[in-house]
Amino acid sequence: AQSVSQHNHHVILSEAASLELGCNYSYGGTVNLFWYVQYPGQHLQLLLKYFSGDPLVKGIKGFEAEFIKSKFSFNLRKPSVQWSDTAEYFCAAGSSNTGKLIFGQGTTLQVKP
Amino acid sequence: DAGVIQSPRHEVTEMGQEVTLRCKPISGHNSLFWYRQTMMRGLELLIYFNNNVPIDDSGMPEDRFSAKMPNASFSTLKIQPSEPRDSAVYFCASVILGGQETQYFGPGTRLLVL
Repeated sequence: AQSVSQHNHHVILSEAASLELGCNYSYGGTVNLFWYVQYPGQHLQLLLKYFSGDPLVKGIKGFEAEFIKSKFSFNLRKPSVQWSDTAEYFCAAGSSNTGKLIFGQGTTLQVKP
Repeated sequence: DAGVIQSPRHEVTEMGQEVTLRCKPISGHNSLFWYRQTMMRGLELLIYFNNNVPIDDSGMPEDRFSAKMPNASFSTLKIQPSEPRDSAVYFCASVILGGQETQYFGPGTRLLVL
């Protein structure tokens, strides 16, 4: 069965700390991977995506993610978080053929000033 | 581009009333998705359409929920009759099929059923 699992449900960090959010997927065939961010009271916005090529993907606001095929992982990283990064983060996997995305449960990140 | 447009942005209704949520996808996008988000259940896919045709409605919780996409630029999600447990934020999203494309989300409709 297709699924996406995010290991951390709630993460609390101080400003300037480094961030890594785990994401593992189970998906048959060619998979596209995404990280979305949802700021409080807002809709989901794309942070970054991986379709093919370089497994290290850089996104907006200093975020990056690494696709490790052997581990079925697509972890999100940021070297130094800011208070404004406080949000919920969703990992998703999907197919270009159907457009459908399978979302993880989400990770709430709280950054303390 | 205006992005995915949803209306209304907020809806407060009483139990038993009919609720209709509307979505206009991004022009040129041929796949549309309806999601529901709650604290308890997170983000759930309700139904999606490809080229205006419903593909998978297995996420629709009950027969009280129905969705239509009469043309490429408009979709509705209807709840009749509504119940308090339907209170949630409902998101619509759209994407272009077949390419290395991103699913874009609308601003959501925050529904409160009293």
